[in-house]
Amino acid sequence: SQTIHQWPATLVQPVGSPLSLECTVEGTSNPNLYWYRQAAGRGLQLLFYSIGIDQISSEVPQNLSASRPQDRQFILSSKKLLLSDSGFYLCAWSVGQVTYYGYTFGSGTRLTVV
Amino acid sequence: KNQVEQSPQSLIILEGKNCTLQCNYTVSPFSNLRWYKQDTGRGPVSLTIMTFSENTKSNGRYTATLDADTKQSSLHITASQLSDSASYICVVSAGNTNAGKSTFGDGTTLTVKP
Repeated sequence: SQTIHQWPATLVQPVGSPLSLECTVEGTSNPNLYWYRQAAGRGLQLLFYSIGIDQISSEVPQNLSASRPQDRQFILSSKKLLLSDSGFYLCAWSVGQVTYYGYTFGSGTRLTVV
Repeated sequence: KNQVEQSPQSLIILEGKNCTLQCNYTVSPFSNLRWYKQDTGRGPVSLTIMTFSENTKSNGRYTATLDADTKQSSLHITASQLSDSASYICVVSAGNTNAGKSTFGDGTTLTVKP
């Protein structure tokens, strides 16, 4: 069966420090991968999506970047965190026509920048 | 611009009561609509999916309806339980793209009190 792993679950980082969040998918090949951010009490904002290795699209200009070094691995990074980067980060995957099969989300990472 | 609006923003009901959440969308061309349940601090989990030709779909005590003409959907929860306390997110997908550019609503926060 397909599973998605996301870590860490919580993270407290000082302003200006680097960031690396990792997401891996098991049980499927060539998934579409996504990074979302959710501010407190708000909806999900799509940050990046990837349809294949080295094929990453950015949805909003920001202080973050994404990489996909392997087919089932998606990494969210920042060189210098800002206070505004705090939030709940969710990784998700889909296969085929995502518009029908939908998304499977990871358990999320709560990032607090102090 | 594709948009999904959910109402109410928040809702408090007593255990055992029924409730209905609303979702209005302006996504074109419409492909499908999915309701997700997001427990606090967790990733969203899919409840139902509805395509253009479907107007009712049930999943246990959850029943979703879709009116493609008026571009409205509702999620009805019957005999609510404390575990139904969560955020409910309406997601509408457009067209036939492989990498989903779905549009997310901001969610309705439901609180079920004993």
